[in-house]
Amino acid sequence: RKEVEQDPGPFNVPEGATVAFNCTYSNSASQSFFWYRQDCRKEPKLLMSVYSSGNEDGRFTAQLNRASQYISLLIRDSKLSDSATYLCVVNNAGKSTFGDGTTLTVKP
Amino acid sequence: ETGVTQSPTHLIKTRGQQVTLRCSSQSGHNTVSWYQQALGQGPQFIFQYYREEENGRGNFPPRFSGLQFPNYSSELNVNALELDDSALYLCASRSDRRVYGYTFGSGTRLTVV
Repeated sequence: RKEVEQDPGPFNVPEGATVAFNCTYSNSASQSFFWYRQDCRKEPKLLMSVYSSGNEDGRFTAQLNRASQYISLLIRDSKLSDSATYLCVVNNAGKSTFGDGTTLTVKP
Repeated sequence: ETGVTQSPTHLIKTRGQQVTLRCSSQSGHNTVSWYQQALGQGPQFIFQYYREEENGRGNFPPRFSGLQFPNYSSELNVNALELDDSALYLCASRSDRRVYGYTFGSGTRLTVV
């Protein structure tokens, strides 16, 4: 079993849709959590940190559930420019573990 | 504020050779990590350096080694290259504060033939 697991998708949604991604992690001692976005043949870019209290940045909402060991990302009112691969990252004691990413395609 | 820069951008090597990849951290960042990303997969953690000391390592063999210099720039060295080492190698840096994620460079695409 992988340390960090994501549904690979692809998720194909129309513009304006709401889409949610989940990510589970196996190490209960994990300390910090992030969502990254990666466009095709580009480097990952930090989208947002994830806090236990939940956090929102515009159309994006991230949640962390430590008891169930999963994090989520909700995208509201999807835009064409949201099409990308979304990677969750779990950090523990100097080691960062990425999921393999979930691919989102937003269509007109 | 400069970002993370990596060199070279592309590289072709022969199986059995050695390669050195370089990374300049973002200004103010003292922690650097290296990742290997194969096509269709997420980045795989190779190792992390904090103030010139390795303080985290993933499941990579010893032929993958690194250095961090006093100016926090870094190198990744791979000896005895294998065909499966062909991948995008990403360097990322961050500051001390864990709440901030990494800033990635645009990577070095290594092809081993």
